[in-house]
Amino acid sequence: AQSVTQLGSHVSVSEGALVLLRCNYSSSVPPYLFWYVQYPNQGLQLLLKYTTGATLVKGINGFEAEFKKSETSFHLTKPSAHMSDAAEYFCAVSGGAGNNRKLIWGLGTSLAVNP
Amino acid sequence: NAGVTQTPKFQVLKTGQSMTLQCAQDMNHNSMYWYRQDPGMGLRLIYYSASEGTTDKGEVPNGYNVSRLNKREFSLRLESAAPSQTSVYFCASSPLQDFNQPQHFGDGTRLSIL
Repeated sequence: AQSVTQLGSHVSVSEGALVLLRCNYSSSVPPYLFWYVQYPNQGLQLLLKYTTGATLVKGINGFEAEFKKSETSFHLTKPSAHMSDAAEYFCAVSGGAGNNRKLIWGLGTSLAVNP
Repeated sequence: NAGVTQTPKFQVLKTGQSMTLQCAQDMNHNSMYWYRQDPGMGLRLIYYSASEGTTDKGEVPNGYNVSRLNKREFSLRLESAAPSQTSVYFCASSPLQDFNQPQHFGDGTRLSIL
């Protein structure tokens, strides 16, 4: 069965520090991987996605993620946190085959950025 | 660009009341989805519609019905609301019913059932 695990439901960083949000997945087929961001009282927005090809994926707002097949990971990073990055971040994996293919969501990581 | 529009944004119901949550998208997408979001449980798929005229159950369909009115609109109905249905409801759309494609979300409906 497919699954997504986001390590750490809450992460706190200082402004200007590295942001690292962890996501591990399991999938029986080559996965498509996504990171979404949710700002307070808003819907989810796509940050970036991995389908095939280059394993380092760049997204909006300076975020990037690297697909590591051997580690079944897709961690999200940003070199320097900004106050506006405070939000909830969701990792999702598209797994399964054929009609059983579906999108599996992680439980989310709440990012706090301290001045 | 409106994208995905959900109405209402907030609603309070009494147990046993019924209501319909509305969703419309203007991106000419074929597929639409309804999710609920609860603390500590992430997003859970209630129903989805791969294309106009089709609907399928998701992970947590009990207590809900849906209607794909046309290509733009996908509504979610609670026939007899229960406190367990207190949640934030999100509608989303994607070009095709292919869970490999990114989904576009509305801003949500915050529903409280007393």
